[in-house]
Formats: sequence, structure tokens, C-alpha cells
Amino acid sequence: SYEVTQPLSVSVALGQTARITCEGNNIGSKDVHWYQKRPGQAPVLVIYRDTNRPSGIPERFSGSNSGHTATLTVSTAQAGDEAHYYCQVWAINAVVFGGGTMLTVL
Amino acid sequence: QVQLVQSGAEVRKTGASVKVSCKTSGYTFIDHYIHWVRQAPGQGLEWMGWINPKAGTTNYAQKFEGWVTMTRDTSITTVYMDLDSLKPDDTAVYYCARAAPADYYAMDVWGRGTTVTVSS
Repeated sequence: SYEVTQPLSVSVALGQTARITCEGNNIGSKDVHWYQKRPGQAPVLVIYRDTNRPSGIPERFSGSNSGHTATLTVSTAQAGDEAHYYCQVWAINAVVFGGGTMLTVL
Repeated sequence: QVQLVQSGAEVRKTGASVKVSCKTSGYTFIDHYIHWVRQAPGQGLEWMGWINPKAGTTNYAQKFEGWVTMTRDTSITTVYMDLDSLKPDDTAVYYCARAAPADYYAMDVWGRGTTVTVSS
């Protein structure tokens, strides 16, 4: 089965830039989607197909994907961005989620 | 607006089954797959499978093959997820999510979740 790996946690100072990675074998050949998950709330799609933002998602959220690493970048981090972030791909006839990364805004 | 409204919390005993509903509105029901995803306490997101509301066809994650059943009722634009032989490990929040227009495998609108608690 295909696996994707995320760091357990990432910290960022208020107003700075956070980068959350998602590693998988040749993940650059797949479409990667990213979700924000706050406690007690449903996940929210923040990036789809590597780089695309759904309507209503701030431009501060961006994505990239190449080689074996996809990256979610959160620019000018705000307190409200503190949440878990999950990457997701479609591989071998299944949806695969990463284990999730807790973003802490200091 | 697009909405997915899920049924209320459930409590079951080990070995029982549970059926969670997901009532959709605000879009053409047969045009978007519906995914089911669960999150156990303190754990990450886990994909269970999807249903194609147009054809009624399904694709289950290997782990759930044989004990999950996803169905739909087009007359009331509702999908259902039935999980049987429940174990305490199945205690989780269960979400339905609509497949995004641009990609079957991205999920752009989610229900609020249904908490299922399984006791031994």
C-alpha cells in the first residue's frame, strides 16, 4: 500500500511562514490535497490538486508538489491557523491520508 | 448552499451494527461521489470508501471490505453508511464528504460528523 508521511508538529511565530511537508514515493506524480482540521469541527479543504485554493480560502495558503515531497505553506501565520493539517492522495485504488501535522502558532 | 446533514450520535454494544445517514442538498445529487471518513479519538483521518450516487456503485477501503455497506436513496438525496460487527475500536466520529467538482478524490464539503460510541 502507498504511504505518506507528515511531521507530527510544526511551530511558527505569529506572522511568519510555516511549511508542512508530506512525503511519499514519487508523490510529485500524484495530485495532493490538504485539509485543515480543528477540534470538534469537520475538516476543511484548503488546497486541492497540489496548488489550487477553493473559494473562500485565503491566499496565505499555498501548495507545491515535486519529487517525493508535497508542501503546504501558510504565510503570515495567524492564531486562527492553529490546527491539524492532513495531506491526502489517491493511490492504488484508495484514498490515503497522511498522519496529520499539528501547526502551533507561537 | 451545499449542505450535508448527518444523523445524530449513536451508542452501540460490541457486535451490533450502526447506520449513519447523510442528507445532501444544494447541488445535483447524482453529480458528485460521496466519501465516508472516520476519526477515532486522538487519531488521524481514515478513509472508508465512496459511493457513486448516480450508479450506486461503491469502492471500499480494503480494511472495511465485508463489513461496511454504502447505499443511497436518490428520491431523498441521501446516502447511508452501514457498519456491522462493531468493536470498541470503531468508536469514532464518522463524516460524509462530497467529492469536489474538480477531482473525485478531493472532498470539498463535509458533514458535521456523527459520533458513534461502541461499548463492550
